[in-house]
Amino acid sequence: DARVTQTPRHKVTEMGQEVTMRCQPILGHNTVFWYRQTMMQGLELLAYFRNRAPLDDSGMPKDRFSAEMPDATLATLKIQPSEPRDSAVYFCASGLGQGDYEQYFGPGTRLTVT
Amino acid sequence: AQSVTQLDSHVSVSEGTPVLLRCNYSSSYSPSLFWYVQHPNKGLQLLLKYTSAATLVKGINGFEAEFKKSETSFHLTKPSAHMSDAAEYFCVVSESPTSGTYKYIFGTGTRLKVLA
Repeated sequence: DARVTQTPRHKVTEMGQEVTMRCQPILGHNTVFWYRQTMMQGLELLAYFRNRAPLDDSGMPKDRFSAEMPDATLATLKIQPSEPRDSAVYFCASGLGQGDYEQYFGPGTRLTVT
Repeated sequence: AQSVTQLDSHVSVSEGTPVLLRCNYSSSYSPSLFWYVQHPNKGLQLLLKYTSAATLVKGINGFEAEFKKSETSFHLTKPSAHMSDAAEYFCVVSESPTSGTYKYIFGTGTRLKVLA
């Protein structure tokens, strides 16, 4: 049963620290998304990649966030430095195709910045 | 501009009664439309999708949705609610403003509560 995996599942860190979240998309999927979910803002698209190239990162705060795909089996989302307002659940999703395909979501990383 | 409006933030139904979760959208292009479900502390899971084929779309767990272009709606329904349907439901619009790029907009979600 193919699944998107995310690590860590939970992260508590102090303000100013660097945070790295990892995602392993489903093997063979060519598109990867990063989302952030909070009670106040709901679900927000941060960035997405197709064939490892970033297509849209307009939803991501550029000064502190960065997203990369070092290879087809790994996507990373980094926050440096972290701030309390970054506390949220971060979801990774992967898919195959363009536009009208299903996105498969990982279980999320719950980040708390104190 | 592209947008998605889920008209109810919370819906409560009794077990065994019909479910209706409402979604309206606006799009300048021919959109694809989706419903996803999120159970507590879980990721989202696709329920169903509309991609310009049949306007009545059947999904998993007995859910279905009807695409009504004239009303710009894509409401989600189920004839009989089950306790396990209690979750948050998201309506999503995907459109392609330029070749090869896609915009995905999630609604704010509707939390469904099922009463015994």
